[in-house]
Amino acid sequence: GAGVSQSPRYKVAKRGQDVALRCDPISGHVSLFWYQQALGQGPEFLTYFQNEAQLDKSGLPSDRFFAERPEGSVSTLKIQRTQQEDSAVYLCASSPPGRTDHNSPLHFGNGTRLTVT
Amino acid sequence: QKEVEQNSGPLSVPEGAIASLNCTYSDRGSQSFFWYRQYSGKSPELIMFIYSNGDKEDGRFTAQLNKASQYVSLLIRDSQPSDSATYLCAVNVAGGYNKLIFGAGTRLAVHP
Repeated sequence: GAGVSQSPRYKVAKRGQDVALRCDPISGHVSLFWYQQALGQGPEFLTYFQNEAQLDKSGLPSDRFFAERPEGSVSTLKIQRTQQEDSAVYLCASSPPGRTDHNSPLHFGNGTRLTVT
Repeated sequence: QKEVEQNSGPLSVPEGAIASLNCTYSDRGSQSFFWYRQYSGKSPELIMFIYSNGDKEDGRFTAQLNKASQYVSLLIRDSQPSDSATYLCAVNVAGGYNKLIFGAGTRLAVHP
């Protein structure tokens, strides 16, 4: 399909394990975002890439969280030494370049549901 | 801290009625406003966007924006049980790229 693809769909990790979540954005979308969504809450911004450059990582909750997009396409969100509070759905979104006067919508993938036991 | 506020609901309406969902935001510089629908266990799906003051209609959906009051709303006419979902309001952060801040969402329940 032509949408944002995320894998795995579900991930169960034992506390202390490292995990890697993958996002394949819509072709041609230069902007890529990672959001974290806790149960019953709206998505919370984690980080933003424009092509391969990570221009904003202000939402990453700790230095255990790391994201990369080395070739400006696929992105990986890595969480080291997972904790129970990391349990959430991790959403990836992409968007095409916006105009100067308004922003383009974000297109979300299906998300990865991470459960840390 | 830039905020987007929504009533968490649930908002319960009978089938065929108009559902009115409201959202306020704190960043006066925001220029772009989005409504996403999220079914349980699914990802957010864009249903409307609005950039200018006033109303924007798309089928059964109407988005309304009042920048002076920092208020955006979504009306759903002829509500159907299939409209039952959480509706997320999202607002861009002014002065940069396409970063969106989301509200916590309003849960809508349309009963037959």
